[in-house]
Amino acid sequence: DQQVKQNSPSLSVQEGRISILNCDYTNSMFDYFLWYKKYPAEGPTFLISISSIKDKNEDGRFTVFLNKSAKHLSLHIVPSQPGDSAVYFCAAKDDTNAGKSTFGDGTTLTVKP
Amino acid sequence: GAGVSQSPSNKVTEKGKDVELRCDPISGHTALYWYRQSLGQGLEFLIYFQGNSAPDKSGLPSDRFSAERTGGSVSTLTIQRTQQEDSAVYLCASSLIRTGNSPLHFGNGTRLTVT
Repeated sequence: DQQVKQNSPSLSVQEGRISILNCDYTNSMFDYFLWYKKYPAEGPTFLISISSIKDKNEDGRFTVFLNKSAKHLSLHIVPSQPGDSAVYFCAAKDDTNAGKSTFGDGTTLTVKP
Repeated sequence: GAGVSQSPSNKVTEKGKDVELRCDPISGHTALYWYRQSLGQGLEFLIYFQGNSAPDKSGLPSDRFSAERTGGSVSTLTIQRTQQEDSAVYLCASSLIRTGNSPLHFGNGTRLTVT
């Protein structure tokens, strides 16, 4: 039973346009949601997070939206840049469960110049 | 400052041999996690340390897998009698605290190939 799902394995967008990456979850106990970005041969790096009591968090070109009733979150990148091309992982944390992060399978974003 | 360091970066071993993977977390980070990523898959939780103790070993796939952490710092993940299905990238991450939105800081991983 996969608790965090990223249903789109890949996404391709044109430079300057908006990239929208989606994530669905099933466990209502999750307290925090985090997005990580991963380049080949490197470990994931933290991008942005949102608490379960918020519905939006913004940091520069990156905005995360949370819809608790739908158990859905999305990461918006605008404007997209070629350097944003990477694998993006959605992760969810449950502080009652050792603060363990549960990850989705990732979405590969390609931004074309 | 220094990030999370993992060694070796690559390891090729024969089926049946034991391997030891090392993780040096960020200084002062109390929480340490091991994950693995098989080809085309997400990150699979293996084990978590708070200080030197491992309250959550629920993700270890079998009793061939073990891990320890000493001095609240360096951790080693040991796989005994390796099998081909153990081939994956093993990622270590540390976190300042385990709760809240404190993010994980990952190393670059050890790519393990069992032939």
